[in-house]
Amino acid sequence: AQSVTQPDIHITVSEGASLELRCNYSYGATPYLFWYVQSPGQGLQLLLKYFSGDTLVQGIKGFEAEFKRSQSSFNLRKPSVHWSDAAEYFCAVGDGNEKLTFGTGTRLTIIP
Amino acid sequence: DAGVTQSPTHLIKTRGQQVTLRCSPKSGHDTVSWYQQALGQGPQFIFQYYEEEERQRGNFPDRFSGHQFPNYSSELNVNALLLGDSALYLCASSLDLRDTQYFGPGTRLTVL
Repeated sequence: AQSVTQPDIHITVSEGASLELRCNYSYGATPYLFWYVQSPGQGLQLLLKYFSGDTLVQGIKGFEAEFKRSQSSFNLRKPSVHWSDAAEYFCAVGDGNEKLTFGTGTRLTIIP
Repeated sequence: DAGVTQSPTHLIKTRGQQVTLRCSPKSGHDTVSWYQQALGQGPQFIFQYYEEEERQRGNFPDRFSGHQFPNYSSELNVNALLLGDSALYLCASSLDLRDTQYFGPGTRLTVL
């Protein structure tokens, strides 16, 4: 069965600092990997996705993620965070999008 | 271009009652998936509809049922509500079974 682990429940970062959110997955074949962001009381917005090809994926809002098959990881990064990046971030794995399995999320707090 | 819309926004029910949630997919999308997101958790897949048929189902009891209409909109029905059914219910639509899923804002269901 597929699964996703987001080891960090809550991360606090200073505005302007770099960010890395961790995601590890378990999946039998080549996974489809996603990062979504959720602001309070809102639905999920897709940041980026990996299906195949280049293992470094660029997304919206200046985010990027790197697929590392050997480590079963798909970590999300941003070189310089903004106060508006404060939100809940979810990593998900899927099989051609027929069903997405999400991690428990990482809550990001930005301090001035 | 309207995104995924869901109604109602909020709903309060009592134990044992039945509830119907509604979802309209993005224009041109023909596949609808439903997820349940309990407080502090990641979304969990309930089921997916394509061509008016349930194509895949997650680990949810038969109290959870759905329907997709010819215009691709969808309903989620939950019978015999339990306190544990309190959650944010998210609808996602995609162009077909293997396209990226785009999420609506969700319906917040509270069961008293």
